[in-house]
Amino acid sequence: EPEVTQTPSHQVTQMGQEVILRCVPISNHLYFYWYRQILGQKVEFLVSFYNNEISEKSEIFDDQFSVERPDGSNFTLKIRSTKLEDSAMYFCASSRTGPGANVLTFGAGSRLTVL
Amino acid sequence: SQQGEEDPQALSIQEGENATMNCSYKTSINNLQWYRQNSGRGLVHLILIRSNEREKHSGRLRVTLDTSKKSSSLLITASRAADTASYFCATGVSRLMDTGRRALTFGSGTRLQVQP
Repeated sequence: EPEVTQTPSHQVTQMGQEVILRCVPISNHLYFYWYRQILGQKVEFLVSFYNNEISEKSEIFDDQFSVERPDGSNFTLKIRSTKLEDSAMYFCASSRTGPGANVLTFGAGSRLTVL
Repeated sequence: SQQGEEDPQALSIQEGENATMNCSYKTSINNLQWYRQNSGRGLVHLILIRSNEREKHSGRLRVTLDTSKKSSSLLITASRAADTASYFCATGVSRLMDTGRRALTFGSGTRLQVQP
């Protein structure tokens, strides 16, 4: 069964440092997403990406966040200057189709701890 | 937003009993999906029901959708200890509807505990 893989599984960083979270979506999927989940809370949408550009982003996805697909397989989320409140589980997901009937396949997540 | 909200927030039942979780949402949708999350893991898709469907089954799962009430329910029959997880509803809209966010929007989840 194809899966979405994420690295690292856990990252601890100091406030103000840059963090890059990596994802390898399913190979024939065209739409890519980042969600985050603060411990015990709801799963929040950050950004969706299609055809090498951001197709939608939430109010959480401010200027300190960026996404990139640097090659044919990786999809990255960069947080430029981390804050304490960025501590969360970050999930990458991909889907074959876009809005309308898009079933998402999620990775296992990257836990980010900002000290 | 069209965000779904699950009810109850937490549910504890005995193995063999049925578990019912509800979801309410606010705007028009194209489909509604249910996902499951084991503790500390990613979400796994369970079932999708389209806005023109009223009921759907998949194994021990039964989902209903009432678009007039903007609500859905997920029933897990004959629950097992392995069903212990958080369950999330997620609403999807069509690009044509343009009623807000197009990306799948999740609720807060129902934490289900099935006691062996």
